[in-house]
Amino acid sequence: EDQVTQSPEALRLQEGESSSLNCSYTVSGLRGLFWYRQDPGKGPEFLFTLYSAGEEKEKERLKATLTKKESFLHITAPKPEDSATYLCAIQAAGNKLTFGGGTRVLVKP
Amino acid sequence: DAGVIQSPRHEVTEMGQEVTLRCKPISGHDYLFWYRQTMMRGLELLIYFNNNVPIDDSGMPEDRFSAKMPNASFSTLKIQPSEPRDSAVYFCASSPGPRSGEQFFGPGTRLTVL
Repeated sequence: EDQVTQSPEALRLQEGESSSLNCSYTVSGLRGLFWYRQDPGKGPEFLFTLYSAGEEKEKERLKATLTKKESFLHITAPKPEDSATYLCAIQAAGNKLTFGGGTRVLVKP
Repeated sequence: DAGVIQSPRHEVTEMGQEVTLRCKPISGHDYLFWYRQTMMRGLELLIYFNNNVPIDDSGMPEDRFSAKMPNASFSTLKIQPSEPRDSAVYFCASSPGPRSGEQFFGPGTRLTVL
């Protein structure tokens, strides 16, 4: 069975304090790994797709990386507007996404 | 484009009542997904459609849940009869094939069953 585990569950950062979120997964035949951002009261918003080990994607202060067993979302010099829940999801056979429980990030000014 | 549209945004009903949630996907998107999000279970896929055809409904919890997509611009998720444990936020998402993992989510419907 496909599984996604995210850690930590919650992260409190000072503005400018860089950190990393972890997404570990077990799947037979990974088609893609996806990162989403979810703000309170809203639907998830797509951030990145990673397809193979060694791949990296960047967007502003966010950088996602992928290995054979896990993915990291690095937040460099975060700002308060980076506060959100970050969700990781995997796609195996078919088009179904399996989501992790998310990491709640709070960036304090 | 207005994005994915869901209605109602909030629904409060009593146990045993029928509930219908509605979704309008982004025009031109081939895939439509229904998810449920709770604190305990996180975000779970209930069912998805490709070109209006249900492809995988293995996440639908039981026969009380049904979903339809009569055309490319409209889908419904129905719960009959509703139970308190159905209380959750229900999201609809759409995506253009073949990059179906890059999904665009609606704002969700917060359902409370008393």
